[in-house]
Formats: sequence, structure tokens, C-alpha cells
Amino acid sequence: GESVGLHLPTLSVQEGDNSIINCAYSNSASDYFIWYKQESGKGPQFIIDIRSNMDKRQGQRVTVLLNKTVKHLSLQIAATQPGDSAVYFCAEKSSRSGGSNYKLTFGKGTLLTVNP
Amino acid sequence: NAGVTQTPKFQVLKTGQSMTLQCAQDMNHNSMYWYRQDPGMGLRLIYYSASEGTTDKGEVPNGYNVSRLNKREFSLRLESAAPSQTSVYFCASRLAGAANEQFFGPGTRLTVL
Repeated sequence: GESVGLHLPTLSVQEGDNSIINCAYSNSASDYFIWYKQESGKGPQFIIDIRSNMDKRQGQRVTVLLNKTVKHLSLQIAATQPGDSAVYFCAEKSSRSGGSNYKLTFGKGTLLTVNP
Repeated sequence: NAGVTQTPKFQVLKTGQSMTLQCAQDMNHNSMYWYRQDPGMGLRLIYYSASEGTTDKGEVPNGYNVSRLNKREFSLRLESAAPSQTSVYFCASRLAGAANEQFFGPGTRLTVL
């Protein structure tokens, strides 16, 4: 079935280090993968997305890597800052879910804590 | 722009009571969504509205109804609240088409006793 899960529920890093948040998925029919950040007491905020025909996409201080062979994606945050402390969710969009039927399936999230 | 706004921020209900959660967006987005988030869980889709005048069930629609009042507003109604509906509810909007970015509101924390 369709599911999006995470390897680690929590991740603690030192300020300035690089962070890697992992996500496994099972739906081979996903055509987009999206990362969201949720700070405490707030709604999720879009970070970056990657199309399934890509292996890598870079944004500002973030890089998404997609390995379709093992159905795994990761979010890398460079020079992690205290403001990066949040829960990070991966989400997948099925290729069958488009247009008026657009829907996302979210994973359970990883809590990133950045220590000063 | 205020983005996506939700009211109320907090609500406590007794089992069997009804209430409506309000959501509005000022970004002229076509699609709107209602999610619930439970501890240790990701977001689960309750209902969505691809465009004004249409609504569809998501993953967990039982016990809820929705109304897309106009392009700006999308409300979620609990007709007879149950303790299992204790959760944080998020409304989101999306422009349309291939855009993957959903804009989320601040959430409504609902407790059903």
C-alpha cells in the first residue's frame, strides 16, 4: 500500500553541522516528493520538492536526494542553525493523484533539535 | 496578505456537541484542504476541495462534513463530536495544477471530553 515513513523519529545536531533527515516510501507510482517543516505551534511550511525523474535538487541551504532503487529520499540541511529546529515531514504525491484529485500522503515526521 | 487563517485557535467540546471550524485564504487559491494531526502522526487528509463548488473525501472523512462557501472559505463541521476527534486541525490551500506548495494555517487545537 501507499505509505511514507521515516527512519529516525528524532535527530540532534550541533549548530553549524550538517543535518540529514531520511524518509522511506513504498509507492513506486509517486511522481513528486515534498518536504515540509513544522515549527512548534505552527502549521507546516513547504521547503522543497523533487520530481521522481530527478536524483537531486538544491535549494537555499537544503538538498534533496532521491534514490528510487531503494525508495529512499533525504533532506540535507547545511550549516544547521537553531532556527532549523522543527519537525520535518516528507510527503509524496501519487501520479494517480493529479488535477482535481491532487492529494499528498505525509510521513510521521522527524524532530530535529539543534544544540547551540 | 494574511495567508490562511483559521478560527478558533482552541476549542473544548463535550461528546455529542457540534461545531464548525472556519478557514479562509486570501491568496486566490483554487484548492483547499482539511487535515488532522495526532501526536506522533503525520497529517491525514479529511476532506478537500479542488475548486469552488466541489468537495471530496480524503483519508479520514467519517464524522466530518465540509462546505466550500466561496473561493476564499472552506469550513469543517463536526456534527456530533467524539473523543476520537481530539486533534489539531489544519487547513491548507494550494494554487492549482502542478503546484506542490500547500500553504497551511496555524491550526485549531480541539479537545473533545
